[in-house]
Amino acid sequence: DNVMTQSPLSLPVTPGEPASISCRSSQSLLHGNGNNYLDWYLQKPGQSPQLLIYLGSTRASGVPDRFSGSGSGTDFTLKISRVEAEDVGIYYCMQALQSPQFSFGQGTKLEIK
Amino acid sequence: QVQLVQSGAEVKKPGASVKVSCKTSGYTFSDYYVHWVRLAPGQGLEWMGWINPNSGGTNFAQNFRGRVIMTRDTSINTAYMELTRLRFDDTAVYYCARDQGETGGYSFDYWGQGTRVTVSS
Repeated sequence: DNVMTQSPLSLPVTPGEPASISCRSSQSLLHGNGNNYLDWYLQKPGQSPQLLIYLGSTRASGVPDRFSGSGSGTDFTLKISRVEAEDVGIYYCMQALQSPQFSFGQGTKLEIK
Repeated sequence: QVQLVQSGAEVKKPGASVKVSCKTSGYTFSDYYVHWVRLAPGQGLEWMGWINPNSGGTNFAQNFRGRVIMTRDTSINTAYMELTRLRFDDTAVYYCARDQGETGGYSFDYWGQGTRVTVSS
């Protein structure tokens, strides 16, 4: 099974400051077509998860450009250039390369200082 | 607009089964896989499996094989997830989600509102 490991698990951030979350996969998520099958989701309190980034670095529709994804192979990063209060919640990475099996990271809880 | 609307909260006893529905609208149901994901108290998101609404084909996470059944009714654009032999640790919020397919890297672009299932004696 592909194990996804996120760090940190808790991330207190001052509004306006940047934030970064790491996601490491136990197996490479780089497909022969050049795509990395790694997504980022945010679950805000009391809401369903929402897609932020897919294929490692492509922002989903409507996602602010302060969110960016990078990385390749086994190491990926989600960056928020300037955290806003509305960004609080739990961030998850998810791999889709090992389809038909999918798996999530443990989640990173972002809170405002 | 694309919508996935799930059935209401359920309370079940250990050993019973629960069946959650996910009614879709705003797109061609048979064109996109539907996944099921759950969030248990104090835990992270857990992928359960998917159904291909076109063929009815399914695939499940190892943890749920033998206990989960996924079906669909194309006449009403609805997917179903049935979890059998319920245990206390199946208490969770269950979500359905639409898979964007290959061009979207098999990411989940639309989600249902969630269905709370409580297993209690």
